[in-house]
Amino acid sequence: AQSVAQPEDQVNVAEGNPLTVKCTYSVSGNPYLFWYVQYPNRGLQFLLKYITGDNLVKGSYGFEAEFNKSQTSFHLKKPSALVSDSALYFCAVILPGEISNFGNEKLTFGPGTRLSIIP
Amino acid sequence: NAGVTQTPKFRVLKTGQSMTLLCAQDMNHEYMYWYRQDPGMGLRLIHYSVGEGTTAKGEVPDGYNVSRLKKQNFLLGLESAAPSQTSVYFCASSSGQVTYGYTFGSGTRLTVV
Repeated sequence: AQSVAQPEDQVNVAEGNPLTVKCTYSVSGNPYLFWYVQYPNRGLQFLLKYITGDNLVKGSYGFEAEFNKSQTSFHLKKPSALVSDSALYFCAVILPGEISNFGNEKLTFGPGTRLSIIP
Repeated sequence: NAGVTQTPKFRVLKTGQSMTLLCAQDMNHEYMYWYRQDPGMGLRLIHYSVGEGTTAKGEVPDGYNVSRLKKQNFLLGLESAAPSQTSVYFCASSSGQVTYGYTFGSGTRLTVV
């Protein structure tokens, strides 16, 4: 069973409009949650993470994400989209069973969502 | 610039050929990872290493071998390439606290014909 899902393969947003990229997880307990972005022909770049504390986390490039435990979601948001935000976005999770004090937790990635911002 | 460097960037192999992908990091990170990226599948962990001289299997290890003889290098080997191994391969490293985030290389695009 997939631990992290991104229900939309593609999201199109007009420049200047708010954007949301959805992520849901299907594990019990409290996972650690991450968002990464991949620009064309580049490796993944870290955007933000939720470990504990405030459910709304802010990250790079004006992005933020809200952890919702009851809905098991961690949607990525931005108030006003830029054309330069066009990229492939990955949600990732550290499964509760893998959280340890040894520092060797591994990330499990979702399938990715391609975000296109239309000028 | 500090970071993760992958070589080569592109490669075409014939079925049955072998090759080694090199990952080098200059951040003194303990942990290194090899992922493959396929459309609609996200990134899947092939092998990883928690320190020099150590390796461990990830989610999809079959058909691959790895070595970590030096802390800064993590090699991924394909002994007998198959078309199913056509993919984009990414190396990543971390300081040991994954909550600090991974640093990824720019990828190797491998085609097996």
